Amino acid sequence: GQQVMQIPQYQHVQEGEDFTTYCNSSTTLSNIQWYKQRPGGHPVFLIQLVKSGEVKKQKRLTFQFGEAKKNSSLHITATQTTDVGTYFCAEPSYNTDKLIFGTGTRLQVFP
Amino acid sequence: ETGVTQTPRHLVMGMTNKKSLKCEQHLGHNAMYWYKQSAKKPLELMFVYNFKEQTENNSVPSRFSPECPNSSHLFLHLHTLQPEDSALYLCASSQDIQSSYEQYFGPGTRLTVT
Repeated sequence: GQQVMQIPQYQHVQEGEDFTTYCNSSTTLSNIQWYKQRPGGHPVFLIQLVKSGEVKKQKRLTFQFGEAKKNSSLHITATQTTDVGTYFCAEPSYNTDKLIFGTGTRLQVFP
Repeated sequence: ETGVTQTPRHLVMGMTNKKSLKCEQHLGHNAMYWYKQSAKKPLELMFVYNFKEQTENNSVPSRFSPECPNSSHLFLHLHTLQPEDSALYLCASSQDIQSSYEQYFGPGTRLTVT
């Protein structure tokens, strides 16, 4: 079945360091979404990207959609302990247009 | 508060038990979903309902039986489960089933099968 790969799988950073997670697809995407799941919590929608090369910012979070619309990234500047959690990208299924969630990147921030 | 509630939050059941998970959304959405989340595994889509009609069943074993009496309520009936079915079961809803709509998740039911 369709798998959405994210790298890295885990990332441990010192508070204040930057963090980036990448989502790669083998096909051109119509859109991509990002979600965050805190430890013990549930996924919460962060943002959706639609346009080629689109860049959107939410405070210290920067989301980017590749020019070819085949990859996306989430960059966090100067991480804080509140950024701890797993970040998922989600892309449309090839044949059903349902959302398929990525494998996730688990971020741990050390104070 | 996401507008999606799930009960119970925790459930321990034996392999011969029958139990049901309940999900309710207060967002006026048309689509509802069941996901399974195991340790170290991505979110696995189980079932999709749109306007109460099941539109997708991702090869889920028959020991999981969904029910959607209306657009606001979704159930997952469980019977003769296996220990490997222990996981977090998440319900979600969206305005419609197209991938362009964001999904709102409930807090989940942590299921342990003994």
